[in-house]
Amino acid sequence: DVQMTQSPSNLAASPGESVSINCKASKSISKYLAWYQQKPGKANKLLIYSGSTLQSGTPSRFSGSGSGTDFTLTIRNLEPEDFGLYYCQQHNEYPRTFGGGTKLELK
Amino acid sequence: EVQLVESGGGLVQPGRSMKLSCAASGFTFSNYGMAWVRQAPTKGLEWVATISYDGSSTYYRDSVKGRFTISRDNAKSTLYLQMNSLRSEDTATYYCTRGGITTFDYWGQGVMVTVSS
Repeated sequence: DVQMTQSPSNLAASPGESVSINCKASKSISKYLAWYQQKPGKANKLLIYSGSTLQSGTPSRFSGSGSGTDFTLTIRNLEPEDFGLYYCQQHNEYPRTFGGGTKLELK
Repeated sequence: EVQLVESGGGLVQPGRSMKLSCAASGFTFSNYGMAWVRQAPTKGLEWVATISYDGSSTYYRDSVKGRFTISRDNAKSTLYLQMNSLRSEDTATYYCTRGGITTFDYWGQGVMVTVSS
């Protein structure tokens, strides 16, 4: 199975700041990485797929980059609604695997 | 608006069975692959199973192979997960998701399954 390792596990930031979350795959997954947001009481949301393609409805302050084994989710000009949990997921092969999650908290 | 509504969860004893359902609306159900993803309490997300748009192909994680069966009824726009020989490690919130062949683009709110004596 492809192991997905996210860093950091926790991240504190203020509205208006920019943050980056990293995701490393145990072997090459080409460009096939997705990012999700999880918030209490809300359905999980697909933000980005294939490494850098924004899902319809994802604000442009979100961006994804990377290929092979190393990927990054960047959020610029943080808005209050951006705080929550973020997960990466490889969609290159079965079993589909997720990273352990990054909790983005208000500083 | 895409809606996925899970049902059928609850408390079940180890070794017993349970069947989850997911009622889909707001899209042409028969055009999409579907999947179940679970999340154990305080843990991360874990893919469980995927079924193709027509039900002809299914995929499972190793730990549920032979115990869980994913199926669908396109006439009823409903996805199912039959879970047999349940174990304590199957305790989790189970999410119905659209997609699964690649990514999971819509998620339900989830249904809790607790396996305990």
